[in-house]
This record gives sequence, C-alpha cells and structure tokens, in this order.
Amino acid sequence: NAGVTQTPKFRILKIGQSMTLQCTQDMNHNYMYWYRQDPGMGLKLIYYSVGAGITDKGEVPNGYNVSRSTTEDFPLRLELAAPSQTSVYFCASSYYLAGGPEQYFGPGTRLTVT
Amino acid sequence: AQTVTQSQPEMSVQEAETVTLSCTYDTSESDYYLFWYKQPPSRQMILVIRQEAYKQQNATENRFSVNFQKAAKSFSLKISDSQLGDAAMYFCAYRGRSQGAQKLVFGQGTRLTINP
Repeated sequence: NAGVTQTPKFRILKIGQSMTLQCTQDMNHNYMYWYRQDPGMGLKLIYYSVGAGITDKGEVPNGYNVSRSTTEDFPLRLELAAPSQTSVYFCASSYYLAGGPEQYFGPGTRLTVT
Repeated sequence: AQTVTQSQPEMSVQEAETVTLSCTYDTSESDYYLFWYKQPPSRQMILVIRQEAYKQQNATENRFSVNFQKAAKSFSLKISDSQLGDAAMYFCAYRGRSQGAQKLVFGQGTRLTINP
C-alpha cells in the first residue's frame, strides 16, 4: 500500500512551457485534491475532485487544469508556465463519509519556473 | 469563507520542555474538524492530531494535546517533553463537515525549533 504518490519530485520549467504533475492513490479514496505551498506559507487549494469525472475549482485555480478519468489518478496540468507558479505542489486524498477521516498527502513536487 | 490564523511565525523551546502553538479560526458552521499537521524538512505533511468540534473533550495523542475553545474559536497545540524530532513547521487546518465540504483551509504555519 503506497498511499499517495507524486511524480516528478523536482522539475524546472522555462516560462511558457507546459507540464503535467502526476498523482496516484491506491487507497480507493473518492476525494482527491491539489494544493500549492508557496515559501513560508500554508497550503492553498487549487482543484479538487469528488470522484471520477467530477472536478471543481479551489481557491487558486488560474493557470491550471485537472482531469479525473479514474478513481486512482488525478493529474494537474500547467499550461504556459509562469514564474508565479514556482511552488511546491501537494496531492492529497480522502474518503467521503459524514464523519470522514483526514486527508492523506503525497510527498510533494517542487516546481521552479525560470 | 473560513479562515485560519496562526499568529506565531516562529517558536523555540528547550529539549524536554513544553511548548504551546496557537491557532484561531473563523467560521459560521457549527460542526467541523480541526487538525494540526507537522511538516519536517522532508516536506511530507504528517497528521499530528484531530479534533471534532462536537466533542467537548480535548484530543490527545501521546505527547501532543490540544486546547479546543469552541466559543473563542481557538485551537492550540501543546507539545510536552519536546524532542529534537519535533522540529518542523506546524500547520493548523480547518475542514467543514457538511456534505461536499471536504476542503482543508490552512493557517500560515509556525516554525518550531528545538534547542538541545
């Protein structure tokens, strides 16, 4: 049981390039999330998904896109990378229950845009 | 919208001493969860402790305990017998309990240093 895995661990992009951050969970969680963490700050929600085929915007969605074709995978797409997207990106997952448990986080991807 | 505030950017404590990290939040909901997460230099987000708002009893996990004051919207974390491995960023987080409200709202974090 690997939990939540993210690839790559590190990436450097040039301005205007695009890339996809991969996230996979093997816990059969229906909820998945993408957060970004800027230096010295807490995490902010980019997008989330309540199940395959269903996604919704979080607090800071501009410049990103997501898709959820399977329960396990929730990739985050950056189009036309900008220096403001330099950050650490975390994927997380959880069950949906009325009294559901906490979110489980992946190890993060450090992205630098220059 | 819910907000979470951690007013202490940095704290330090002597090894084996006790330290308390502060957190306040703002919400109009009556039922919710509160969490403390630890983030060591490895960047991994590690759940430390969880509190359900409907429970009056403060949560405890070994050396970690909380002081949950619902009326004051305060949720502090006490670490007893501090150890060098406790050095990390600590984040307070809020999550509503209503259907669909599964998103976490984080505070800005407190960097905890343990002095040997």
